Amino acid sequence: SAVISQKPSRDICQRGTSLTIQCQVDSQVTMMFWYRQQPGQSLTLIATANQGSEATYESGFVIDKFPISRPNLTFSTLTVSNMSPEDSSIYLCSVENWAGDSYNEQFFGPGTRLTVL
Amino acid sequence: GNSVTQMEGPVTLSEEAFLTINCTYTATGYPSLFWYVQYPGEGLQLLLKATKADDKGSNKGFEATYRKETTSFHLEKGSVQVSDSAVYFCALTFSGGFKTIFGAGTRLFVKA
Repeated sequence: SAVISQKPSRDICQRGTSLTIQCQVDSQVTMMFWYRQQPGQSLTLIATANQGSEATYESGFVIDKFPISRPNLTFSTLTVSNMSPEDSSIYLCSVENWAGDSYNEQFFGPGTRLTVL
Repeated sequence: GNSVTQMEGPVTLSEEAFLTINCTYTATGYPSLFWYVQYPGEGLQLLLKATKADDKGSNKGFEATYRKETTSFHLEKGSVQVSDSAVYFCALTFSGGFKTIFGAGTRLFVKA
């Protein structure tokens, strides 16, 4: 299993500002994922971050709005840029468990609860 | 395409009641199936999984059986506790780094 920590755990931000969320894993992993969970909703994948390459964004998400860094195999950051109240969500970092010849279940961080005023 | 459909919540039960949360899926192959649980204020954690047809996943008294013929993976527990109050997500993925697809989630409230 993997233990994942995120910072900050929560924040309240002003419209137009940016927030960088950090994700730290206690083991080396190939792929890290960033999800958004809006209030009362399911998870929406924002992007997949591989070390040493550009992140792959899902439809509806762009790099200018959600730049991602992946400097090594245990760390990633997600920045929410030029925030608006619609960005108020929980942002979750996750990694996949590599089980022999296939990827398997995911491990999640505790999430970052963002409120934009 | 691939998708997961769960019964809508919230589900409200009394302690020791029987729980079923329905989950059906649409997939173009043979996915692995999962149930994740999210307790208040926390991230998701894996509850149980099944990787092929007729497999039964079980954990903490919860069970779910991978039914290929009905494309279902219903979650059951014989006697719920107040501490089971959480949001439950059904999910699927394929091997080879395919992204995980989550259902909408079902909120469970258990009353003492």
